[in-house]
Amino acid sequence: ETGVTQTPRHLVMGMTNKKSLKCEQHLGHNAMYWYKQSAKKPLELMFVYSLEERVENNSVPSRFSPECPNSSHLFLHLHTLQPEDSALYLCASSGGDGKLFFGSGTQLSVL
Amino acid sequence: GEDVEQSLFLSVREGDSSVINCTYTDSSSTYLYWYKQEPGAGLQLLTYIFSNMDMKQDQRLTVLLNKKDKHLSLRIADTQTGDSAIYFCAEIPAYNQGGKLIFGQGTELSVKP
Repeated sequence: ETGVTQTPRHLVMGMTNKKSLKCEQHLGHNAMYWYKQSAKKPLELMFVYSLEERVENNSVPSRFSPECPNSSHLFLHLHTLQPEDSALYLCASSGGDGKLFFGSGTQLSVL
Repeated sequence: GEDVEQSLFLSVREGDSSVINCTYTDSSSTYLYWYKQEPGAGLQLLTYIFSNMDMKQDQRLTVLLNKKDKHLSLRIADTQTGDSAIYFCAEIPAYNQGGKLIFGQGTELSVKP
């Protein structure tokens, strides 16, 4: 148990659906991240929030929309996804020392 | 540019030592990390080394850093079947913005009984 909880663990959605991924941490960290992990590719950093403000957006398509209402919660809103968006989406948090604590991820399948 | 490279696979027998290698390009990196990912789980921080160190030992794990060659390695002594996982090397550049780590592709370690 890393202290970072992601829900749901698995998600299957059609290309016209709208869904949200949720991440929660109670480690007192001030930075939260979304990563995408696809087979045979390096981890891709999608979004970084520090003190609830987005500090980085790595040219992610607008069909992915993050939300950070407070320092403990992070969401990734999904709409009109493509099959190539199927991947493991990992949330992480950090106290600013570079050490990341990851959740178990949401395995997303887009049909 | 920023790039971290690892070989994709390593297979060892139980009880042997495993050595996982990593090369990186950013000489200004302050910290270098090793993460472990077990099947169906997220990444877990295993160990890390500060860039002014050459070696760090933590129980069965030994991290070696060669700054001149930009080469990092993770040695696992007496490898067990429970060590089977994907191991990621990561660096944090000195200009770090928001804790952005650069990850390698991961090395899948398979431990055979």
